Amino acid sequence: AQSVTQLGSHVSVSEGALVLLRCNYSSSVPPYLFWYVQYPNQGLQLLLKYTSAATLVKGINGFEAEFKKSETSFHLTKPSAHMSDAAEYFCAVSDRETGFQKLVFGTGTRLLVSP
Amino acid sequence: GAGVSQSPRYKVAKRGQDVALRCDPISGHVSLFWYQQALGQGPEFLTYFQNEAQLDKSGLPSDRFFAERPEGSVSTLKIQRTQQEDSAVYLCASSSGAGSWETQYFGPGTRLLVL
Repeated sequence: AQSVTQLGSHVSVSEGALVLLRCNYSSSVPPYLFWYVQYPNQGLQLLLKYTSAATLVKGINGFEAEFKKSETSFHLTKPSAHMSDAAEYFCAVSDRETGFQKLVFGTGTRLLVSP
Repeated sequence: GAGVSQSPRYKVAKRGQDVALRCDPISGHVSLFWYQQALGQGPEFLTYFQNEAQLDKSGLPSDRFFAERPEGSVSTLKIQRTQQEDSAVYLCASSSGAGSWETQYFGPGTRLLVL
């Protein structure tokens, strides 16, 4: 079964600092990969996704992620954090091989941004 | 345009009560998903519909959970004889197609508290 590991349940950065949120997947066939953001009392919003075109994927709000097959990773980065980036971030995968559309989520990383 | 909507947003139930949670997907979306999100965790898949057909219900935790989408649009998740462990946020998502690369659009969720 596919799984996703997000290292660090909480990440704290200062405003203007680099944001790095880690995601590793376990799958013999590289899956489709997604990053979602969740603000308090709201649903999840897609930041970006990897579907096997370019390995560097650019998303909304200045976020990007790089797919690295050799490292089974899909880490999320943003060059300069903004206060409005404080939220919960989830990495998720769907199965490319079977075509099953359900998403398998990691446990999430809460991003804290201090002034 | 309108996104995915869910009602009610909050539900308090006494243990043993039956509850019904409603999801209105984005108009025209073929696929509909239900996820359960426990406090501090990532969403977990419950069930999947393609139009009115329930193609995957592998995530439903017990036979107390039942979902339907009779006309291929609105969906209802019903929980019978609620238990305290059913307390969670229930998220609905829809996507325009049936591929595992499709973006899923999430509603704001229904927060269920079972006392």
